[in-house]
Amino acid sequence: DIVMTQSPESLAVSLGERATIKCKSSQSVLFTSNNKNYLAWYQLRPGQPPKLLIYWGSTRESGVPDRFSGSGSGTDFTLTISNLHAEDVAVYYCQQYYNTPPITFGQGTRLEIK
Amino acid sequence: QMQLEQSGAEVKKPGSSVKISCTAPGGTFNNHPVVWVRQAPGHGLEWMGSFITSYGTTSYAQRFEGRLTVAADDSSGTAFMELSRLTSEDTALYYCARRRPGSDFWFFDLWGRGTQVTVSS
Repeated sequence: DIVMTQSPESLAVSLGERATIKCKSSQSVLFTSNNKNYLAWYQLRPGQPPKLLIYWGSTRESGVPDRFSGSGSGTDFTLTISNLHAEDVAVYYCQQYYNTPPITFGQGTRLEIK
Repeated sequence: QMQLEQSGAEVKKPGSSVKISCTAPGGTFNNHPVVWVRQAPGHGLEWMGSFITSYGTTSYAQRFEGRLTVAADDSSGTAFMELSRLTSEDTALYYCARRRPGSDFWFFDLWGRGTQVTVSS
């Protein structure tokens, strides 16, 4: 199974500043034949359904603000939230779909306002 | 935000079973696979199992094999999950989610709000 490890567990960022969340996979999730990283990011806000933010490591889902961006390749990935808004307070998860089953998620990163 | 509609919260005794339903907007999943994911208190998201509606096939996480059943009836646009032999460790928020249309890959664009299951004697 591919183990996903996120860091930090939690972070506090001021409104308008940048938040950076890391995700590391125990093996590469880059499929070399199509040069795609099989990595997604989700946002979980209390009382709300989880929301798909990013897939293929860096492709933003339709309707997701462009202050959310995904980067990285192979085993190391980053979710960056620029110009932090109050509504970005949430728990963020990465998920690999390179080698399934099982589908595996990181343990989550809690983002708060400083 | 569009979402899947899940059945209401459940309180169950240890050793019993729980069945949760999940309904697609518009009354159909259009043969897109559905997964079940849970979040236990203090833990992250955990994939439990998947149902491939177009083939009627299932896939389960090893730790749930033998006590988890997932299914879907696309004629009614409803997916189901049943977990048996419950223990207190099954106390969690259970989500259903749809695999993103237009993709044969396992990431999910439409989720329910979750169904709280509490297992207590």
